[in-house]
Amino acid sequence: EADIYQTPRYLVIGTGKKITLECSQTMGHDKMYWYQQDPGMELHLIHYSYGVNSTEKGDLSSESTVSRIRTEHFPLTLESARPSHTSQYLCASSEMGFESTGELFFGEGSRLTVL
Amino acid sequence: SQQGEEDPQALSIQEGENATMNCSYKTSINNLQWYRQNSGRGLVHLILIRSNEREKHSGRLRVTLDTSKKSSSLLITASRAADTASYFCATAPYSSASKIIFGSGTRLSIRP
Repeated sequence: EADIYQTPRYLVIGTGKKITLECSQTMGHDKMYWYQQDPGMELHLIHYSYGVNSTEKGDLSSESTVSRIRTEHFPLTLESARPSHTSQYLCASSEMGFESTGELFFGEGSRLTVL
Repeated sequence: SQQGEEDPQALSIQEGENATMNCSYKTSINNLQWYRQNSGRGLVHLILIRSNEREKHSGRLRVTLDTSKKSSSLLITASRAADTASYFCATAPYSSASKIIFGSGTRLSIRP
């Protein structure tokens, strides 16, 4: 079992609400990622981080923001949720370094529904 | 797709048969990985092949990589009902090894 946890697993909220999806890992990994995935579809990279105080945007334009104040924590925030944000959000982490395999460890996902 | 295509998009085979999935990508890569996703769950890493490798085995899995064609294949031998899942390839572009991009996935169904 991978030691990476996402909360909440399921969230239903109204339009305009601010939400934060939590992601924590206990493996000491430097790199962390957020992907967005609609059911049965491909994953889209929306944010990633090389380590503390590092955040980068992925290929999919996203209205969400992330922060990396601690190695183990990589929360994703939507300031004003809209129905178009309805999706599954997957958090992942991996080691960094020459010996790293680059394997991603995924959380179970947070399924967001915006009404 | 943001990186490439996988084919077929869906595959249904009889238990015991072999399943082959293909992945194509667009940029030069450091490595290519295959992941499995059960419905509604996170992804699980299956196997990684580096750009200087051509073939790799792990249990019932066999992965090939052809960097000249920018393509990879995943073969699952002697399929089981438990292999039913979606399978994704993921690449780390040579220019940005940390930016791991996924393909569109193949949905595999194993009929008992």
